Amino acid sequence: GENVEQHPSTLSVQEGDSAVIKCTYSDSASNYFPWYKQELGKRPQLIIDIRSNVGEKKDQRIAVTLNKTAKHFSLHITETQPEDSAVYFCAADHTGNQFYFGTGTSLTVIP
Amino acid sequence: DVKVTQSSRYLVKRTGEKVFLECVQDMDHENMFWYRQDPGLGLRLIYFSYDVKMKEKGDIPEGYSVSREKKERFSLILESASTNQTSMYLCASKSSVGQPQHFGDGTRLSIL
Repeated sequence: GENVEQHPSTLSVQEGDSAVIKCTYSDSASNYFPWYKQELGKRPQLIIDIRSNVGEKKDQRIAVTLNKTAKHFSLHITETQPEDSAVYFCAADHTGNQFYFGTGTSLTVIP
Repeated sequence: DVKVTQSSRYLVKRTGEKVFLECVQDMDHENMFWYRQDPGLGLRLIYFSYDVKMKEKGDIPEGYSVSREKKERFSLILESASTNQTSMYLCASKSSVGQPQHFGDGTRLSIL
């Protein structure tokens, strides 16, 4: 099956700085990679996703990059704000049904 | 907007009880999932279903079973609850390949 590793597990940044979270996957057949944000006590919510035929996708302050050759993808958050503080999960869609999730990154933005 | 509803936000049960967690989605999605979320371990898949009456084991199915009698409803059953099943349980649904999963608010289950 698929194996997704996510780093770092915790990340603290100053408000206004950038944050980068990286994930690697093992199976080259995976072709869809969503990112979820989970605020304390709330459900995980999709913030951005990328498919294997695209190298980069951007939505305002959030971007995702995908390197299929190296089998890794990254979440980039620019101009961080306190409301970006949350746990972020990456995932890889392997067979088309099951997602394999990373173990999460707890991001703290320090005002 | 997709809505995934879990029947309880908080639930307290006793060891040995049979526990039912219910999940309903309103978007006619084919696929539904049950996860367990524990600190430092991320989201671990218990079971998923890709059609009515169909089910597949995930990574940690031991001690759990599921039921999907109708497309919109997916139930997680703890046959005989144990203290190590105290956790946050998340239900999700998705429509098809290459689409995101949509999560419910979760049920925080405590087994005493």
